[in-house]
Amino acid sequence: DAGVIQSPRHEVTEMGQEVTLRCKPISGHNSLFWYRQTMMRGLELLIYFNNNVPIDDSGMPEDRFSAKMPNASFSTLKIQPSEPRDSAVYFCASSWGIRTYEQYFGPGTRLTVT
Amino acid sequence: GDSVTQMEGPVTLSEEAFLTINCTYTATGYPSLFWYVQYPGEGLQLLLKATKADDKGSNKGFEATYRKETTSFHLEKGSVQVSDSAVYFCALRNNNAGNMLTFGGGTRLMVKP
Repeated sequence: DAGVIQSPRHEVTEMGQEVTLRCKPISGHNSLFWYRQTMMRGLELLIYFNNNVPIDDSGMPEDRFSAKMPNASFSTLKIQPSEPRDSAVYFCASSWGIRTYEQYFGPGTRLTVT
Repeated sequence: GDSVTQMEGPVTLSEEAFLTINCTYTATGYPSLFWYVQYPGEGLQLLLKATKADDKGSNKGFEATYRKETTSFHLEKGSVQVSDSAVYFCALRNNNAGNMLTFGGGTRLMVKP
């Protein structure tokens, strides 16, 4: 299995631009998580999907952030407009079931907003 | 709410030294506890887990015991290698709160030859 796939691996953009991060979960997994990692705040859960439905988006920082999961094999995290404080590494993770232990993480997307 | 506190790093050790990374937690009920490891440039990987009090998780020479009385899950390894250099995250899953993990801040380990 290829594992969780994220693209792009690195993204540099200017403030005010729209940014779209992409994630392909492991085939057969039905839970998907988006995390943000920064030096100041550590690893934060942004949103969690189960069977393509958003279950908890309380970690989404503000309306500039949105996430979708149109099917079981694809999810996007969009930031519009982007700001320098959004610079971070964004991880996608997937797992099987609601009450399983292991989340499998992708390699992350390093976002830099100038 | 739930929280996880880890010792701040970086922790710098010589090869073959003994490792302890402290982790304590606050949670309602009886959470499951985890250690994840993040190697440079990669995502997090599950290292070990324990699901109830007094359970010991172990993997790749690392161990951690779920201590309910001290609300701790300290990570230990008897003899570290250069290849163990990474960031280690302690995490809990509150069994009353679905599949969401609460992570500690991470501890960077650097092992020198």
